[in-house]
Amino acid sequence: EVQLVESGGGLVRPGGSLTLSCAASGFTFSSYSMNWVRQAPGKGLEWVSSISGSSGYMYYADSVKGRFTISRDNAKNSLYLQMNGLRAEDTAVYYCARVFLVLELAFDPWGQGTLVTVSS
Amino acid sequence: EIVITQSPATLSVSPGERATLSCRASQSVSSDLAWYQQKPGQAPRLLIYGASARDTGVPARFSGRGSGTEFTLTISGLQSEDFAVYYCQQYNNWPRTFGQGTKVEIK
Repeated sequence: EVQLVESGGGLVRPGGSLTLSCAASGFTFSSYSMNWVRQAPGKGLEWVSSISGSSGYMYYADSVKGRFTISRDNAKNSLYLQMNGLRAEDTAVYYCARVFLVLELAFDPWGQGTLVTVSS
Repeated sequence: EIVITQSPATLSVSPGERATLSCRASQSVSSDLAWYQQKPGQAPRLLIYGASARDTGVPARFSGRGSGTEFTLTISGLQSEDFAVYYCQQYNNWPRTFGQGTKVEIK
């Protein structure tokens, strides 16, 4: 069974840092691009970042560029999101999601999400 | 950035009726368009990819159409478990972008 499990969320003060992790299982992790998507409380979905299977490319939303870093460790079947300079507007549930197929880049499956709250 | 606009924001439908949701892209995304369903407290679930292909296990009452800039999701014969928020997303260009969602509620 394909499974994605996020961890690392929590309460952090403005300007602080946090690293999210996503543990993957049930598929050949290195073959798939991976993504982070967030959802602020009561709001819609916002794409945050993507990374290719070999880490050859990484893309970021303008809202997080220069503050967030996506990475992966294929030996550990894990995806990461290093978040620095956190702002109140970064408060959201953060989901990791795999691309559906190697050549079909919709997002599926999704993890259950981890909540990041940025507040003093 | 490709802007995705969904309409309507809220759709009130009686069980058993048909719901038609619209999604418009500010420029062509070819067929690189997905639809997701999200229920309260849950992660989104992929319903449709490639504008019209149903994911495994998605009931046949869900159908997607369109290409370029205009897309629709039709739910025929709404069932109680279909009342949720639906998002469309383009994955043709960076940044990936989602619509703001359409809430399908019980009339």
